Amino acid sequence: DTAVSQTPKYLVTQMGNDKSIKCEQNLGHDTMYWYKQDSKKFLKIMFSYNNKELIINETVPNRFSPKSPDKAHLNLHINSLELGDSAVYFCASSQDRGLAGEQYFGPGTRLTVT
Amino acid sequence: RKEVEQDPGPFNVPEGATVAFNCTYSNSASQSFFWYRQDCRKEPKLLMSVYSSGNEDGRFTAQLNRASQYISLLIRDSKLSDSATYLCAVNPTNFGNEKLTFGTGTRLTIIP
Repeated sequence: DTAVSQTPKYLVTQMGNDKSIKCEQNLGHDTMYWYKQDSKKFLKIMFSYNNKELIINETVPNRFSPKSPDKAHLNLHINSLELGDSAVYFCASSQDRGLAGEQYFGPGTRLTVT
Repeated sequence: RKEVEQDPGPFNVPEGATVAFNCTYSNSASQSFFWYRQDCRKEPKLLMSVYSSGNEDGRFTAQLNRASQYISLLIRDSKLSDSATYLCAVNPTNFGNEKLTFGTGTRLTIIP
């Protein structure tokens, strides 16, 4: 069984559209994260949730809205997509907020905005 | 200065050789340090934590130099399967809402 899964794996869409990416972890972890990895491979944290509560929000445009319906799921909704949003988005989880160093990543969602 | 900096490489190293690369961090209050490995078009995976006293896991040795604010990764007897991008990650806090700041990665290619 996959520990951290994301859907979809690939997403190609046009500028101005709204899209969502879903993430689920079956590790029983309390903390989940969204990262963006750009074309230069720079991996940057966007959000973190601990037990459904937003704990980290890193200067991300408010077109990006995370939602955590329960501690095993963290979804990312993006409104009014822009060319610069093209990247790989990784979801990750850690046992709790104090063990952020040991993260398990999902396979990534490759978003292409045309 | 970036929070976490790595030499992007690429490092092209013959099989069986020893290779080492460093990662510097700017926040002297950083508390914990890690190396992650990312294969091409895959997700990052935790390789090892870096302890103050240094630590070793098989062919891999990680060291921390707090005075000079860098961590290092040494790979001995390199294998073809070691080819990957190695990301260092730094946790700047010791309590509360911890997070990781990643370097841009060092690309390593092991040549047969």
